[in-house]
Amino acid sequence: GDSVTQMEGPVTLSEEAFLTINCTYTATGYPSLFWYVQYPGEGLQLLLKATKADDKGSNKGFEATYRKETTSFHLEKGSVQVSDSAVYFCARYLTGGGNKLTFGTGTQLKVEL
Amino acid sequence: DTEVTQTPKHLVMGMTNKKSLKCEQHMGHRAMYWYKQKAKKPPELMFVYSYEKLSINESVPSRFSPECPNSSLLNLHLHALQPEDSALYLCASSQGTSGSLYEQYFGPGTRLTVT
Repeated sequence: GDSVTQMEGPVTLSEEAFLTINCTYTATGYPSLFWYVQYPGEGLQLLLKATKADDKGSNKGFEATYRKETTSFHLEKGSVQVSDSAVYFCARYLTGGGNKLTFGTGTQLKVEL
Repeated sequence: DTEVTQTPKHLVMGMTNKKSLKCEQHMGHRAMYWYKQKAKKPPELMFVYSYEKLSINESVPSRFSPECPNSSLLNLHLHALQPEDSALYLCASSQGTSGSLYEQYFGPGTRLTVT
């Protein structure tokens, strides 16, 4: 079935460190891919998206590239800040599937000074 | 404006109470969603409304009853809940539901505690 797999957390980094959060998906059809972020006590915010192979989504210094050959959509940021501490969810959406998002399990990021 | 609002922010209710959660968006979106999120888990889809009609019910118990009075509003009526129903309830909206990509925008959620 459709699934999204994320790396286990929590991920703890020092401020200004490089961030990678891995995400892979099952490849039935041609899904669109998203990263959502959830700050403590809040709802989900769309961070970035990519709709086809080799697309790069970017926002607020975060980037992710849709890699069809490896069925991956890894999230990266060159220099994290304490304010980036949150839970990050990778999600896939398949056109014609009733607009149902399939979420990964989420990865908690903690950034320390 | 990409805002989805939800009220109340927090709700505590007993197992015999009846309460309602409310969600509103003014983006002209024609699809609205209810999700349930337990701690440290991803959101789980409960219901989808498309053009004010219920299009998806993910086998949710009947103690949860959704309602879409108009294209901007979505309610979730709660009755005879169980303690295990305590969770964050998230509302989301999107332009549409099928045929093309429609991004979902989420509200801040209602933190529900059932005692």
